[in-house]
Formats: sequence, structure tokens, C-alpha cells
Amino acid sequence: EVKLVESGGGLVQPGGSLTLSCVASGFSINDHYMDWVRQAPGKGLEWVGRTRNKANRYTTDYAASVKDRFTVSRDDSKNSLYLQMNSLKTEDTAVYYCTREVGATGSNWYEPWGQGTLVTVSS
Amino acid sequence: DIQMTQSPSSLSASVGDRVTITCRASQSVNNYLNWYQQSPGKAPKNLIYAASNLQSGVPSRFSASGSGTDFTLTISSLQPEDLATYYCQQSYSDPFTFGPGTKVDIK
Repeated sequence: EVKLVESGGGLVQPGGSLTLSCVASGFSINDHYMDWVRQAPGKGLEWVGRTRNKANRYTTDYAASVKDRFTVSRDDSKNSLYLQMNSLKTEDTAVYYCTREVGATGSNWYEPWGQGTLVTVSS
Repeated sequence: DIQMTQSPSSLSASVGDRVTITCRASQSVNNYLNWYQQSPGKAPKNLIYAASNLQSGVPSRFSASGSGTDFTLTISSLQPEDLATYYCQQSYSDPFTFGPGTKVDIK
């Protein structure tokens, strides 16, 4: 079974830091772009960031709302994806999902998705 | 960034009804448009990729069409398990953006 499992969420104060992890099973992340998508309580889906595969030099992209504060990384040997979040703001409160990009360039979609991990930023 | 809109924002229909959801992009996304279903308390799940291709394991009552800026998702005969929020998403250009969602309730 192809599966993603996130961990590391919790309560953090504004200005604090947190690192999320995502472990893949049933497939190797080696060849895939891997992304983080978040969902604020009662709201829609927002793309957060991505890491490309080794063939594309593990380059990363970020949403403007998190650029320079969040860092996406991966360890292919551990089949794992990470999201380092610094300088957290109350508006970063959300369920964070890791997901795999599937398909050819331009025609990509996300599947599967992890179950999500809740990050709450509050004093 | 490409802006995605959906209509309606919510709907209520009876079991067996035909349901149609519309998604519009602020500029052409070719056919690089995907649909996701998010059941209450669950993670999203891909239903349709590249505008009209049914994801493996998805019931055939789901179908989708469109290209350019206008797309539709149709449920031919609504079932109780279709209670969910449906999102469209473009993968034509970065950042990939999602529509605001359409919540489908069962009468």
C-alpha cells in the first residue's frame, strides 16, 4: 500500500519553530517531487512548498506566504520528507499534509496524501 | 498566480441526483486541471487528473470535462458516501493553486 504518514505537529508560540516529518511507505520517494499542502481550520487547501528529485538537484519552491521562513528537505535514504518552520505566525495554524506529485511536467497531480498533522500557533 | 473559482460554494442534493460543479481559471490552464474529494475529517483524495481522466478505483459515476479556463465535475447519481468538499486545482503553472471548494451535502 502506498502511504504517507506525517508527524511532529503541536502547539507552538508565535515566533517559535517546529519541524514536521513525513515517512513514505509502499514506494520510493527517490524519483518524485514531494510537496507540503496546508489547510487552515475550516478553510481550503494552500500549497506550501516542494522539493524536486535528485535528477533536478533537489531544488525547492515555496509559497510567498512562507518563503524565507519555511524549508522543505528530504532524505531519500530514509524515504522521508521534512518541513522546517521558523518564525511561526498565528496564520500558520493549519493541518499540514505531505503529498507526492505524480504525472509528467505540466500535468501533475497529488496522490497519495498523508493523514495530516495539526500545527497550532498560539500564545 | 492563477486564480481558481468554483461554483456553487455549496449544494444540497438527494441520493440519485445528478450533480455538477464548475471550476474556472483566471487564465488558460490547458487541460492541466485536477479534482480532489475531501470527506469530513479526512485527507484529500485525487478523483480526476488532467481534466477528464478518472483516477484508478474512483467510481464511474464521477466524470469531468473542460479545457482552457472552464471545467466541470459531474456526479451522475449522487450516493451517501459522496458527502464531501470538492476542490479543483491547476498544475499549469507554479504555484499550483486550488479552488475554494464546493461542499456537497445529502438532503
